[in-house]
Amino acid sequence: QPVLTQPPSASASLGASVTLTCTLSSGYSNYKVDWYQQRPGKGPRFVMRVGTGGIVGSKGDGIPDRFSVLGSGLNRYLTIKNIQEEDESDYHCGADHGSGSNFVWVFGGGTKLTVL
Amino acid sequence: EVQLVESGGGLVQPGGSLRLSCAASGFTFSSYWMHWVRQAPGKGLVWVSRINSDGSSTSYADSVKGRFTISRDNAKNTLYLQMNSLRAEDTAVYYCARDGGFKANSDYWGQGTLVTVSS
Repeated sequence: QPVLTQPPSASASLGASVTLTCTLSSGYSNYKVDWYQQRPGKGPRFVMRVGTGGIVGSKGDGIPDRFSVLGSGLNRYLTIKNIQEEDESDYHCGADHGSGSNFVWVFGGGTKLTVL
Repeated sequence: EVQLVESGGGLVQPGGSLRLSCAASGFTFSSYWMHWVRQAPGKGLVWVSRINSDGSSTSYADSVKGRFTISRDNAKNTLYLQMNSLRAEDTAVYYCARDGGFKANSDYWGQGTLVTVSS
């Protein structure tokens, strides 16, 4: 099953842009990854799915146009432009592997985004 | 509006049992696969279990296999997680999540319920 790696923290100034990275382990370059936003004390919120061709399907409900994704090789990127205070959250990436009783859903360790 | 509301969490001693519930509304519950995902304090998300739409197929993380049982009552629009032989490492906020099909592994999550395993 894949291992997803995320840097533990990132920061950006109000109004700036930031790119968060989720890296798949070797051999899983064709895997799609889902991004989730988790505000303090809240449940996760689906942002969007990304493959090597970019976004797969549509964004989650209420996700602004400032959020976009890219995929390249083993990396899946989430870019937030014109960062707002409400973007300060933990961002998690996840991917599934297998089917039936062998299904697993794995997550990266999450990146805490601080808005300066 | 899709809503998922978890309940049933609390403090339980090691070796004890607890049953979590997740009340679903705002969508046709019987048409969707569902998941349980947990998050230990200050840690990342960890998938626990999945169930298909009619409850005939389930899957579990190795860490809970044989101890936890996922089930559902489509007449009551409710998802369950029966947790037995609880350990300190099961301490976490437990979230139920709706499977997003081809769109996402999950497109909606609840607010979570805290389970604390301690003597």
